[in-house]
Amino acid sequence: GQSLEQPSEVTAVEGAIVQINCTYQTSGFYGLSWYQQHDGGAPTFLSYNALDGLEETGRFSSFLSRSDSYGYLLLQELQMKDSASYFCAVLFYNQGGKLIFGQGTELSVKP
Amino acid sequence: KAGVTQTPRYLIKTRGQQVTLSCSPISGHRSVSWYQQTPGQGLQFLFEYFSETQRNKGNFPGRFSGRQFSNSRSEMNVSTLELGDSALYLCASSLFGLADTGELFFGEGSRLTVL
Repeated sequence: GQSLEQPSEVTAVEGAIVQINCTYQTSGFYGLSWYQQHDGGAPTFLSYNALDGLEETGRFSSFLSRSDSYGYLLLQELQMKDSASYFCAVLFYNQGGKLIFGQGTELSVKP
Repeated sequence: KAGVTQTPRYLIKTRGQQVTLSCSPISGHRSVSWYQQTPGQGLQFLFEYFSETQRNKGNFPGRFSGRQFSNSRSEMNVSTLELGDSALYLCASSLFGLADTGELFFGEGSRLTVL
C-alpha cells in the first residue's frame, strides 16, 4: 500500500528554522496535510497543499512538489512550545478513501 | 463554538470484552472519521461516516465497527477485545469529508487499555 516517509526525530534550538520532509512513492492524491500533536493530545491542523507550491501561515509554511514526490513543513523562529510530533497526511485516489499518515516526526526545541 | 468531544477519555477493559466509544463533532460538520494511534503503528484510519453512511473503511478486522446518527454524532464499537487493541482512538470531524480542504478537527481521544 501507499506510505509516507518522515524523519523520526529532529532537534533544533529556539529561534532557528527547521524543515520536516514527507516523501511518498506514488502520485495521485487530493492534497498533503500537516498536523501537530503534543504529548498524545488532539492533533491540530497546520496546513494543506492541494496544489504544488508554498503555503504560508504565520511561522509555519508548507510546500508540495508532486513531480518530486515530496512535501515539507517549514517552521521558523522556533519556540519551546513547538516541541511536538508533526504528521503529514495524504488521501490517495486509489486507496478507497483511506487517509494515510506518516509515522510522525518528533521535534525537540532546545533553549 | 464547541470542539470535537470524545467520551470516555480513559477506559480499561479485559480481553474478550467489547467497548463503545462516542464522538460528537463540531456543530454543522457532517463527516466523522475515526483513527487508531499506537506507538508502533502510528495513526491509522479506521473509517469515515458522512450523513449516516459509511463512506470509507480502513484495513481493520470486522470487530471494529461504527455508526453515525442523524445529528452527526458517531460511535465506534470494538468487539472481542484483544491486547493489541490498546490504543488512543481519535475521531475527527470536517464539513464535507476527507477529500475537502484537508482540514480535520480532532477530539482529545479515548485511551483504551486492554488487560
